[in-house]
Amino acid sequence: DVVLTQTPSILSATIGQSVSISCRSSQSLLDSDGNTYLYWFLQRPGQSPQRLIYLVSNLGSGVPNRFSGSGSGTDFTLKISGVEAEDLGVYYCMQATHAPLTFGSGTKLEIK
Amino acid sequence: QVTLKESGPGILQPSQTLSLTCTFSGFSLSTYGMGVGWIRQPSGKGLEWLANIWWDDDKYYNPSLKNRLTISKDTSNNQAFLKITNVDTADTATYYCARYYYFDYWGQGVMVTVSS
Repeated sequence: DVVLTQTPSILSATIGQSVSISCRSSQSLLDSDGNTYLYWFLQRPGQSPQRLIYLVSNLGSGVPNRFSGSGSGTDFTLKISGVEAEDLGVYYCMQATHAPLTFGSGTKLEIK
Repeated sequence: QVTLKESGPGILQPSQTLSLTCTFSGFSLSTYGMGVGWIRQPSGKGLEWLANIWWDDDKYYNPSLKNRLTISKDTSNNQAFLKITNVDTADTATYYCARYYYFDYWGQGVMVTVSS
């Protein structure tokens, strides 16, 4: 199975600060069809996961543009440019290139 | 508007079979390229993919649970189902269904407790 390693596991930020979360894969996530099936989700306390980013860098519908995704191959990054209070929660990366689909262990964003 | 909602028994005993239903609206599982998947999350822990089913009835399972899982769908009633046989306490979790169109919509989740 593909292992996704997220760092850091806990992130503490002030409002307005820019932060990044890393997701490293044990295998390349580039599919034979040319797509890279790497996603980012936010799970707010008591809620279900909400998709932020799909195919590495595509912003989901209704997702604020302070969120951005980048990367290729095995290294990926989620950046939040100017953290807001509503951004607290746990961030997960997920890959769907290789079966079985796997998730990172999560990064908890705390607001100072 | 796309919505998904999971339903299940709430609590069941070890060795029983867990039956979950995902009732959705705003899309059809008969549409080319559409799919629905199941993911679970033990309390305070991470996410684990279980299975998914496609519009053409193609099915995929997590190998770690494959022998215990059965996924199916009722296209006419906009529902997808997951059965897990021989449950034990390790199956206690919140179970989510999600639309397999770039995982854009998820249900609210249903809590399942396995306890004697």
